[in-house]
Amino acid sequence: AQSVTQLGSHVSVSEGALVLLRCNYSSSVPPYLFWYVQYPNQGLQLLLKYTSAATLVKGINGFEAEFKKSETSFHLTKPSAHMSDAAEYFCAVSRQGSKSTFGDGTTLTVKP
Amino acid sequence: DAGVTQSPTHLIKTRGQQVTLRCSPKSGHDTVSWYQQALGQGPQFIFQYYEEEERQRGNFPDRFSGHQFPNYSSELNVNALWLGDSALYLCASSSSGTALETQYFGPGTRLLVL
Repeated sequence: AQSVTQLGSHVSVSEGALVLLRCNYSSSVPPYLFWYVQYPNQGLQLLLKYTSAATLVKGINGFEAEFKKSETSFHLTKPSAHMSDAAEYFCAVSRQGSKSTFGDGTTLTVKP
Repeated sequence: DAGVTQSPTHLIKTRGQQVTLRCSPKSGHDTVSWYQQALGQGPQFIFQYYEEEERQRGNFPDRFSGHQFPNYSSELNVNALWLGDSALYLCASSSSGTALETQYFGPGTRLLVL
């Protein structure tokens, strides 16, 4: 069985500040991990994915995430938030085929 | 290159009715997965189709059924609609459906059951 917990349903940062969105996973086998972004009234867009290569994964729009097996975490970061980063972010885990298990999401608000 | 497309974009039904949602995968993709996203929640896996057969299924009742056509497009059918079926239904396509392959999501169909 696999599951994902996203800590904090809402995160608010000031423009230019560090963005940190937390994700912890549970998986009985080494997982593949993903971060997606969803803008209002749109589908999900892949930001980045971890597939057991480098533990530090760089994605689009300046985001990156670090896989930490000892902490079962895959937190998403961005050094400097931009207004356009305001959206809902989902962490997901996958192992069997492409069935993905998603967290409940974190809404990121960026204040000017 | 068109991405994943879904139709219709919005739909209103009443309890007990049936609904069919449609999805066209991204060019070159042969695998289609369907997800239900209730308000304020993450997407939940319904099922996946590959080579016109259901390959995996999530924890959804038999009221949810699907089909994949030879051109890889897919339909999601929901019978005997409940109020709780109101959600955004997302279609995702990938190549061969392996975990390593990136899934591309469509914009979704928003279903409201009254």
